[in-house]
Amino acid sequence: AQSVTQPDIHITVSEGASLELRCNYSYGATPYLFWYVQSPGQGLQLLLKYFSGDTLVQGIKGFEAEFKRSQSSFNLRKPSVHWSDAAEYFCAVAHGSSNTGKLIFGQGTTLQVKP
Amino acid sequence: ETGVTQSPTHLIKTRGQQVTLRCSSQSGHNTVSWYQQALGQGPQFIFQYYREEENGRGNFPPRFSGLQFPNYSSELNVNALELDDSALYLCASSPGTGVPEAFFGQGTRLTVV
Repeated sequence: AQSVTQPDIHITVSEGASLELRCNYSYGATPYLFWYVQSPGQGLQLLLKYFSGDTLVQGIKGFEAEFKRSQSSFNLRKPSVHWSDAAEYFCAVAHGSSNTGKLIFGQGTTLQVKP
Repeated sequence: ETGVTQSPTHLIKTRGQQVTLRCSSQSGHNTVSWYQQALGQGPQFIFQYYREEENGRGNFPPRFSGLQFPNYSSELNVNALELDDSALYLCASSPGTGVPEAFFGQGTRLTVV
């Protein structure tokens, strides 16, 4: 069965520092992978996605992620964190052969940014 | 182009009651999925509708049911509400063209007391 693991429940970084959020997935075929961000009490905003091709994908707000098939990972990175990046981050994999938007999410990582 | 809109934004229900949540999909999208997000958890897939037919269901009991209308808007109905049904309910729409990209609404916060 497909699954997504985000090993870090809570991460605190200083403003201006670099960030890496980890995501590992279990999926039998070539996965479709996503990172979403959620502010408190809000819906999910898509940061970036990987479908195929270049394994380093660029997203909005200066985020990027790298797909590593050998490690079953899709880690999210940002070179310099801003206070407004404080939020909940979810990694997700598309589920099912139809691939029409059914997603399996990880438990999420809460990012706190210190001034 | 309008995004995904959900109504209401918040509501409080009593255990045993029934509730209906509504979702308008993004323009041009024919697929709607519903997710339940309990506090501190990732969203859990409830079910999906594609062109008015159910197209997959997660591990939720039958008292969770849905509909999709010809304009591709959708409803989520929950009967016999339980305290554990308290959660943020998220609707997502997709183009349904084989590209699994989902666009989410702001959610409905349901509190069962």
